[in-house]
Amino acid sequence: SQQGEEDPQALSIQEGENATMNCSYKTSINNLQWYRQNSGRGLVHLILIRSNEREKHSGRLRVTLDTSKKSSSLLITASRAADTASYFCATDGGSQGNLIFGKGTKLSVKP
Amino acid sequence: SQTIHQWPATLVQPVGSPLSLECTVEGTSNPNLYWYRQAAGRGLQLLFYSVGIGQISSEVPQNLSASRPQDRQFILSSKKLLLSDSGFYLCAWRMGFAYEQYFGPGTRLTVT
Repeated sequence: SQQGEEDPQALSIQEGENATMNCSYKTSINNLQWYRQNSGRGLVHLILIRSNEREKHSGRLRVTLDTSKKSSSLLITASRAADTASYFCATDGGSQGNLIFGKGTKLSVKP
Repeated sequence: SQTIHQWPATLVQPVGSPLSLECTVEGTSNPNLYWYRQAAGRGLQLLFYSVGIGQISSEVPQNLSASRPQDRQFILSSKKLLLSDSGFYLCAWRMGFAYEQYFGPGTRLTVT
């Protein structure tokens, strides 16, 4: 069953703008991970945030986690055309501790 | 550092033919290994996972099978492919449930 749901499904912005993607999930988690996937390629791991963390940064990425609302957000600041990709959140809500993925947000950054 | 390999990168197979996709991980020992499938425009579906040699768990009953003959080798197989088996197959590894999960480059399978 699907655990993470990303919102919006698609996002189109201009280079230099910030992009915010949201993820909601249904069950308790130990951690949540964000991934990027360029068209036709594998998934690149961006960041892992644990359930006892509220915010985490990595370069131009900022991830927040609100376990009371069962939601997370990924902020990409000063976006670049190279950020164009699909972004997925994944939670460890599987029956065997495996990750469950949402359908992703397709981000398009126009130069 | 750890590296994960998958091959082949692309594959076109006729319906009813067999399948063998291979995944290997370098630079780590006793990883948890996973096979996912991604249909066009959709999220990832977990197919199989393994916590050790010879230990395979299946999430979705279908005509696919998996094997782990060595610690860092994970193989996805089918005796007879169906049209519905087309998709993007991704292998992944992680050291445990509390750790990051990393993906290979994927295999694009088209069944004709």
